[in-house]
Amino acid sequence: DTGVSQNPRHKITKRGQNVTFRCDPISEHNRLYWYRQTLGQGPEFLTYFQNEAQLEKSRLLSDRFSAERPKGSFSTLEIQRTEQGDSAMYLCASSRTGSMDSPLHFGNGTRLTVT
Amino acid sequence: QKEVEQNSGPLSVPEGAIASLNCTYSDRGSQSFFWYRQYSGKSPELIMSIYSNGDKEDGRFTAQLNKASQYVSLLIRDSQPSDSATYLCAVRSGFGNEKLTFGTGTRLTIIP
Repeated sequence: DTGVSQNPRHKITKRGQNVTFRCDPISEHNRLYWYRQTLGQGPEFLTYFQNEAQLEKSRLLSDRFSAERPKGSFSTLEIQRTEQGDSAMYLCASSRTGSMDSPLHFGNGTRLTVT
Repeated sequence: QKEVEQNSGPLSVPEGAIASLNCTYSDRGSQSFFWYRQYSGKSPELIMSIYSNGDKEDGRFTAQLNKASQYVSLLIRDSQPSDSATYLCAVRSGFGNEKLTFGTGTRLTIIP
């Protein structure tokens, strides 16, 4: 049972550049979530997909952020025109559908540093 | 008021003692509750989930839920140094709202 895989593990970029992260969920999971976590805080919800449909997006999420899951398998999160405030750990998680019991299983995260 | 509140700690507990971690939530309609452990620089890993009022035990861990008081707790018996981590409480509000909302976490240190 392979877990959730995220790439890259670390990304350093200059302010104003675009970055893209990839997440491969657990194969039988059809829900996929993106969270962001900064030091000393809990994970903050960004968006989630069921299969290829993006069902919810945080109201706090800037329009510089976009996520896709074109074939209902892997997902990408793109941040355009990065700002220093975007520096954080970006976590992807997946879960099964159909039950309130389904926990989220997290990947190892992508740590973004914007200089 | 935050949706999910936890005491950020740090909470220090002697090795072998019981560690008690608490969490309150604001949405009375919340259906399911999860405890995650997060080591420094790592991603959260699931410890336990609970959906019904009362206690649920799994090894050294016991989750307690009181929906009337909007309160969920995690007890760790026979605390070990390897239990030193940040413990995150997460709440799923209800059907049609599938995301988990996390608290800020409680940092636990087990003192040998």
